[in-house]
Amino acid sequence: GQQVMQIPQYQHVQEGEDFTTYCNSSTTLSNIQWYKQRPGGHPVFLIQLVKSGEVKKQKRLTFQFGEAKKNSSLHITATQTTDVGTYFCAGNSGAGSYQLTFGKGTKLSVIP
Amino acid sequence: EAGVTQSPTHLIKTRGQQATLRCSPISGHTSVYWYQQALGLGLQFLLWYDEGEERNRGNFPPRFSGRQFPNYSSELNVNALELEDSALYLCASSLQQGNIQYFGAGTRLSVL
Repeated sequence: GQQVMQIPQYQHVQEGEDFTTYCNSSTTLSNIQWYKQRPGGHPVFLIQLVKSGEVKKQKRLTFQFGEAKKNSSLHITATQTTDVGTYFCAGNSGAGSYQLTFGKGTKLSVIP
Repeated sequence: EAGVTQSPTHLIKTRGQQATLRCSPISGHTSVYWYQQALGLGLQFLLWYDEGEERNRGNFPPRFSGRQFPNYSSELNVNALELEDSALYLCASSLQQGNIQYFGAGTRLSVL
């Protein structure tokens, strides 16, 4: 079955440093989504990428979808304490299936 | 617009008992997904319901079961509870033709 690997599992950064998490799928994806879960909270949808090579930005967050549609990345510039949480990628293989396969997430800690 | 609601917020059971968790999707959403999130771990897919039918289930034993009602709300039942079933159980809903998932706040199940 489809597998989605995400690295690193944990990342500790000083406030103001950049952060990147990477996501790799064992199969070609129809689209990929990113979610953020704050400590004690539930996952919240951030963005969806559909096109090969697509790049989307949300303020300090930059999301990329690989040319082969098998990998993706989330980059945060100049982290802030409000960025703390676990970031999950989730892939959809398409073919009429709307089920997402989630990566195990990257837990980001920001040291003030 | 009301989001995904789950009840109860917390549930304490003893080993061998049965637990029933409930989820009401966002109005207009017909797909409901259940996930298990053990402490500090990622999202493990449990079940997917759409239009009252079970569409897929994850790698969990048969004592994890559920159903979706005509109003698209859903129930997750866990029989013969084991200590390792202690986790946060998250429900998410999506539109039938879309796959962005909106999560509820979860039910924290503790098995003693």
